[in-house]
Amino acid sequence: DAKTTQPTSMDCAEGRAANLPCNHSTISGNEYVYWYRQIHSQGPQYIIHGLKNNETNEMASLIITEDRKSSTLILPHATLRDTAVYYCIVHLLYNTDKLIFGTGTRLQVFP
Amino acid sequence: EPEVTQTPSHQVTQMGQEVILRCVPISNHLYFYWYRQILGQKVEFLVSFYNNEISEKSEIFDDQFSVERPDGSNFTLKIRSTKLEDSAMYFCASYEYGLAGGLSYNEQFFGPGTRLTVL
Repeated sequence: DAKTTQPTSMDCAEGRAANLPCNHSTISGNEYVYWYRQIHSQGPQYIIHGLKNNETNEMASLIITEDRKSSTLILPHATLRDTAVYYCIVHLLYNTDKLIFGTGTRLQVFP
Repeated sequence: EPEVTQTPSHQVTQMGQEVILRCVPISNHLYFYWYRQILGQKVEFLVSFYNNEISEKSEIFDDQFSVERPDGSNFTLKIRSTKLEDSAMYFCASYEYGLAGGLSYNEQFFGPGTRLTVL
């Protein structure tokens, strides 16, 4: 089973920041938080990952709480193309094991 | 940017028929996976493959399923006798980790999927 819990769905206005929360209270010390997204039944797409510090790349920012029990994915300026299901996954770095997907958060960006 | 490709994009078959789903992973990747997603449900792991052997398989991956890397580029999933409940999207993924151009990479790359419909 997935080690994460996420809200089922969220809405966001185009151009605004989308903040997607994730709880992972049982995360182990060496496990990373990964985020993937799936646009309309396409293959999941990697977004970002982090251990304990905040991370930012060209797609998003990841904020991980100090106790590492929760995190937030931030899409700073959501567009209609960001409408997708977002998955928060706990996984070891440089690890070849399977990814365990939960039900994710369905983000709807509206005009 | 490198990508995983899958063919066909949509396969329709009769119950009991054999199907082969094909994937071309990213060329320097060594780890390969199949996942599936039944309509409206979660993405589920089926099998992982490394060094011409299955590394891990799920309970879903029973004797009706097999995987093969017949040459240096393709990775296939065969379902010997399809059932109605095999109807799903099937995703291939590949993985490698390391450094390139000063950047580290460490994610599974997924293909666009094959939609399998069993009638």
